[in-house]
Amino acid sequence: KAGVTQTPRYLIKTRGQQVTLSCSPISGHRSVSWYQQTPGQGLQFLFEYFSETQRNKGNFPGRFSGRQFSNSRSEMNVSTLELGDSALYLCASSLGDSLSTDTQYFGPGTRLTVL
Amino acid sequence: AQSVAQPEDQVNVAEGNPLTVKCTYSVSGNPYLFWYVQYPNRGLQFLLKYITGDNLVKGSYGFEAEFNKSQTSFHLKKPSALVSDSALYFCAVRDRGSNYQLIWGAGTKLIIKP
Repeated sequence: KAGVTQTPRYLIKTRGQQVTLSCSPISGHRSVSWYQQTPGQGLQFLFEYFSETQRNKGNFPGRFSGRQFSNSRSEMNVSTLELGDSALYLCASSLGDSLSTDTQYFGPGTRLTVL
Repeated sequence: AQSVAQPEDQVNVAEGNPLTVKCTYSVSGNPYLFWYVQYPNRGLQFLLKYITGDNLVKGSYGFEAEFNKSQTSFHLKKPSALVSDSALYFCAVRDRGSNYQLIWGAGTKLIIKP
């Protein structure tokens, strides 16, 4: 099976712009989660989608949003970019049928740099 | 709130020696624990998880982890380290209070010296 794919792999944007990141989960997986990884804050949970519905949400401002399509692919959007949004954005997919025991499988990430 | 701690920022081990990467957790109820590894410029790779049952969990690449309920620990181990094991290791626990979000440790950098 193909793994989780994320596009693009690298992005450079300027402050105030917006950006959309894409994630294609492993075939058969219905849950997609997004994380932000920075050296200072580590791994922080953004949100999780399951069957096109947001099932869980972390503590990020409303500038960060996402959605999931009927084929389980997901997109994440960040509006009005700030310098502090520079990070590695990771997408993870899982079967989604057990919140407690599901294993998440990660994509390679999108490296976002905000100038 | 549930949490997980990785007390060592970095662990140095000589190739061929056994390695241990430490993880302790704080949860209410049954813990669901995970280990992941991250190589430079890559996403995280799943190593193993503890849900229930045998306290010794075997995972990928020869790694195993020992669940110890009394010490609330879930240390990652490998009998003989390889230089290629050098990477960043993360422990995580499911947080029942936040709809089973994964709560992550800060990560431990493992360096295996030839």
